[in-house]
Amino acid sequence: NAGVTQTPKFRVLKTGQSMTLLCAQDMNHEYMYWYRQDPGMGLRLIHYSVGEGTTAKGEVPDGYNVSRLKKQNFLLGLESAAPSQTSVYFCASSYANEQFFGPGTRLTVL
Amino acid sequence: GIQVEQSPPDLILQEGANSTLRCNFSDSVNNLQWFHQNPWGQLINLFYIPSGTKQNGRLSATTVATERYSLLYISSSQTTDSGVYFCAVTTDSWGKLQFGAGTQVVVTP
Repeated sequence: NAGVTQTPKFRVLKTGQSMTLLCAQDMNHEYMYWYRQDPGMGLRLIHYSVGEGTTAKGEVPDGYNVSRLKKQNFLLGLESAAPSQTSVYFCASSYANEQFFGPGTRLTVL
Repeated sequence: GIQVEQSPPDLILQEGANSTLRCNFSDSVNNLQWFHQNPWGQLINLFYIPSGTKQNGRLSATTVATERYSLLYISSSQTTDSGVYFCAVTTDSWGKLQFGAGTQVVVTP
């Protein structure tokens, strides 16, 4: 039982490049979330999903897109990366309110 | 939206000391969780505690929902307790967490 896993762990992009972050969970959770954490701050919600095929915007959704084609996977896409998107990205999943987090992806946009 | 305030922002402890971290929130919540972010950045679930008191080893937590605060107690602190402690709450049925800014804890030998 791996819990919540994220791929990749680290990535460096140039401004304007695109990439996709993958989150996978093996706990059969319905709800999944993407957060970002900037230095000295708590996490902020980017997008979330309450089930396969559904997505919704969180607090800071601009510049990101998401997809939930399979229940166990939640993808976060950056179509045209900007330096302001340099951050650590965390994925989480939940079943009955308690959320469990992945190890994070450290993204740097130059 | 709901405001989540944590205090103190920083805490330096000598190994073996006890401490109390506080989380105040500005509205009714469905859910409250405490996390420990270790120096490697990993978020570890400590407590899921929308109300009442729970204990896990040297850590315990109390949430008084009617008065809109939660407390995290660390007893006999160890250097492995160092890191940032976050309180996070939800106010809807979708479980969207709103985080506080955290308390940075440093435990010295």
